[in-house]
Amino acid sequence: AQRVTQPEKLLSVFKGAPVELKCNYSYSGSPELFWYVQYSRQRLQLLLRHISRESIKGFTADLNKGETSFHLKKPFAQEEDSAMYYCALMGQGAQKLVFGQGTRLTINP
Amino acid sequence: GAVVSQHPSWVICKSGTSVKIECRSLDFQATTMFWYRQFPKQSLMLMATSNEGSKATYEQGVEKDKFLINHASLTLSTLTVTSAHPEDSSFYICSARVIGGSLHFGNGTRLTVT
Repeated sequence: AQRVTQPEKLLSVFKGAPVELKCNYSYSGSPELFWYVQYSRQRLQLLLRHISRESIKGFTADLNKGETSFHLKKPFAQEEDSAMYYCALMGQGAQKLVFGQGTRLTINP
Repeated sequence: GAVVSQHPSWVICKSGTSVKIECRSLDFQATTMFWYRQFPKQSLMLMATSNEGSKATYEQGVEKDKFLINHASLTLSTLTVTSAHPEDSSFYICSARVIGGSLHFGNGTRLTVT
C-alpha cells in the first residue's frame, strides 16, 4: 500500500530561520516523490520533484530511501513561503498521486 | 505553461439535485484526468481516474453511481454528483497530467448541498 505521512499539521518559524517540513512514505518499490504548495486562494502547484534534483524558491528535498523520507528544507525562510505544503507519492508505473495530510507553514516576521 | 480550468468555482444546490463539474485542459491534451476530494483541513483524497474514451477507475469506497465521470474528449472530463446530500459538500479538485510531465491542478470547486 502507498502511504504518505506528514507528521506536522502546523509549523511556525520566524523569518530568516531554517525550515524543515517532514515527509515519510511507505511503498515497497521505487516511488516518485513530489512536494506541492498551495498559497492562499491559489491552486495547488508543483514545487519540486525528487527526480529533477532542482531547487525551487530556495527549497530542496532529498529522497532518503533508507529512512523512507523526503523532507523539504529551506535554509532561510521568507514571509512569502507561508502556505500549505503537501508531500505526494507516485508508485512505479502508476499515474495517480497519493498525498500526505499537508503541513501549514507560517512564517512570522 | 499547462493550465487546467475547472468550472464552476463554487456551487450551492439543494439536497436531491445533481451537480456537474467540468475540468478542461486548456493548452494540452490529457488522456487521463484525476478527481480529488478535500474536506476542510484534510488532505486530498483521490476519488477516481478519468480515462478518455473509456470507463473511469474508482478508488475503493467511492460510489461510481453517485459520482459519475465522463471523459468525452482529450480536453474535458466531467464529474456529476448525483442526488447530492449535505455530506457530499466538499472541495472537489481535478488534475491532468501532461504526457511525460507533471500533474497540473484545477482551482477546485466548492460544493455546498443544503
